Amino acid sequence: KNEVEQSPQNLTAQEGEFITINCSYSVGISALHWLQQHPGGGIVSLFMLSSGKKKHGRLIATINIQEKHSSLHITASHPRDSAVYICAVPETSGSRLTFGEGTQLTVNP
Amino acid sequence: DTAVSQTPKYLVTQMGNDKSIKCEQNLGHDTMYWYKQDSKKFLKIMFSYNNKELIINETVPNRFSPKSPDKAHLNLHINSLELGDSAVYFCASSPFVQGSDSPLHFGNGTRLTVT
Repeated sequence: KNEVEQSPQNLTAQEGEFITINCSYSVGISALHWLQQHPGGGIVSLFMLSSGKKKHGRLIATINIQEKHSSLHITASHPRDSAVYICAVPETSGSRLTFGEGTQLTVNP
Repeated sequence: DTAVSQTPKYLVTQMGNDKSIKCEQNLGHDTMYWYKQDSKKFLKIMFSYNNKELIINETVPNRFSPKSPDKAHLNLHINSLELGDSAVYFCASSPFVQGSDSPLHFGNGTRLTVT
């Protein structure tokens, strides 16, 4: 079983700040997922990455396969970024994902 | 057009009742999933179907029974509901079996409350 740890569990920031959320896992993987869960409950897939870096608007995801670590960065944070951010990695069998416990981000105006 | 739609959004029912949650995806994906999210927001897979075939069946009570009439639909039926079944249930789909490079598309969730 692939163990996933996210940090921090809770994060409060002021609008405009640079945000970093971290995810570590225990077993080598083919791809890592970052998800966003809105306050209303819906879940959106933000990134799926297997190496390097991906960028989408103000969101940047990086992964270091050797160190088994990924980060999600948000530049120029905005209150609408307030959500729970979840990372997920495949289990060793590859047929299912293991989810982190999520990071609750609150961005204040 | 909603890619993955599940109904109902809210479901309040009494202990002992039987209820169903429906899910449909119009993405042409081969694989569909049911996840349960507990009060701590932790997501855990319950079932997965690939082309109508059950491929993941986690250790859930057999009161929970998924049914996939075709690869675009995956319904969840729950018998004899218990208080501990209260949670948010998410349907999701992916182009192929999860774990590989297969992005997930989630429905908006069904909040089940058992009283």
